[in-house]
Amino acid sequence: DVVMTQSPLSLPVTLGQPASISCRSSQSLVYSDGNTYLNWFQQRPGQSPRRLIYKVSNRDSGVPDRFSGSGSGTDFTLKISRVEAEDVGVYYCMQGTLLFTFGPGTKVDIK
Amino acid sequence: EVQLVESGGGLVKPGGSLRLSCAASGFTFSSYSMNWVRQAPGKGLEWVSSISSSSSYIYYADSVKGRFTISRDNAKNSLYLQMNSLRAEDTAVYYCARVSYRSPDYWGQGTLVTVSS
Repeated sequence: DVVMTQSPLSLPVTLGQPASISCRSSQSLVYSDGNTYLNWFQQRPGQSPRRLIYKVSNRDSGVPDRFSGSGSGTDFTLKISRVEAEDVGVYYCMQGTLLFTFGPGTKVDIK
Repeated sequence: EVQLVESGGGLVKPGGSLRLSCAASGFTFSSYSMNWVRQAPGKGLEWVSSISSSSSYIYYADSVKGRFTISRDNAKNSLYLQMNSLRAEDTAVYYCARVSYRSPDYWGQGTLVTVSS
């Protein structure tokens, strides 16, 4: 089974400042088709999860361009260029290469 | 607009059964794989089960294998999760989600399942 880890698990941020979340997988997420199925989700308080990023770096429709994803193999990063108040919530990475596995989540709140 | 509406949650005793439904609209349901994902109170997300567009491929998390059954009715644009032999640790909000690029892209609002005596 693929194990996903995230760091940090808690991230206090200052409005307008950048933020970064790391995600690591226990094995390579490169699928047989050559794609890497690493995704990022945002879950605001009291809401359903929302996909932000798919296949490492592709933003979903309507996702602000302050969110970006990068990485390869087993190491991935979600960056928020300038944190806004609406970005408060829990962020999960998830692999879809070998079935599906979510990371433990990173709670982002405002300092 | 893509919409996914779950129903069927509720309070059930340990060892009991429950059937969840998810009504889909706003997209060609028969063209997409679908997932069930759950979230225990105050905890993270856990993938539960997946079914391909034509039901040819079905997968389960080890935690529910042998107890839960996923199914779909493309004629009714509906996804189901039959849950048997329920345990306290199955208590969670259950989300149905559409899959694209091997990842849930649209999620329902969830339905709460509580297993307690």
